[in-house]
Amino acid sequence: DTEVTQTPKHLVMGMTNKKSLKCEQHMGHRAMYWYKQKAKKPPELMFVYSYEKLSINESVPSRFSPECPNSSLLNLHLHALQPEDSALYLCASSQDLGLGTDTQYFGPGTRLTVL
Amino acid sequence: AQKVTQAQTEISVVEKEDVTLDCVYETRDTTYYLFWYKQPPSGELVFLIRRNSFDEQNEISGRYSWNFQKSTSSFNFTITASQVVDSAVYFCALSVPSRGNNRLAFGKGNQVVVIP
Repeated sequence: DTEVTQTPKHLVMGMTNKKSLKCEQHMGHRAMYWYKQKAKKPPELMFVYSYEKLSINESVPSRFSPECPNSSLLNLHLHALQPEDSALYLCASSQDLGLGTDTQYFGPGTRLTVL
Repeated sequence: AQKVTQAQTEISVVEKEDVTLDCVYETRDTTYYLFWYKQPPSGELVFLIRRNSFDEQNEISGRYSWNFQKSTSSFNFTITASQVVDSAVYFCALSVPSRGNNRLAFGKGNQVVVIP
């Protein structure tokens, strides 16, 4: 059983909608990640939060806005998305020992379709 | 730069056959970590194994085994007596601690199809 949960599992939204993806981890981890994965491609890193602070932003367009309310929760706010943003969005977490040696554990993902 | 190459994009095997997935990595660092993840059709990436660069012991876990060879920069994965539930995409990944973060460099993945 995964200890990283994501909601919703599926999301369909129009280009003018505002929606949010949610991620929660129950492992006491202090680092959380958002990835975007297109079909038949590996995951691409979007954002990393370490101890609730944004530590990595991979030049993601501003229509994606991450938020980390506490060490267990991670949100991704979506606004004015484009059809090419349709993808599987994966959340992950890791211990964050500050050594760069962590194992990332992934959630089941949210399949996003932008119409 | 860190790079992972998984050359075989799609591999089809008949149930009960063995399948080996090749992973070749590139890094100039002497300390690094290698991972394998499984992604079934449901989408979740399932962690399978982590191996650091100083531990070249091969590992077996049930029907899964891993062969780490620093001399050839390879970390290959074998599924013995494959089952339909093994059908998934398998990703090999590399992280390098000297970069100060846990960024993973993923290979392109191997799509394994097990035919009953």
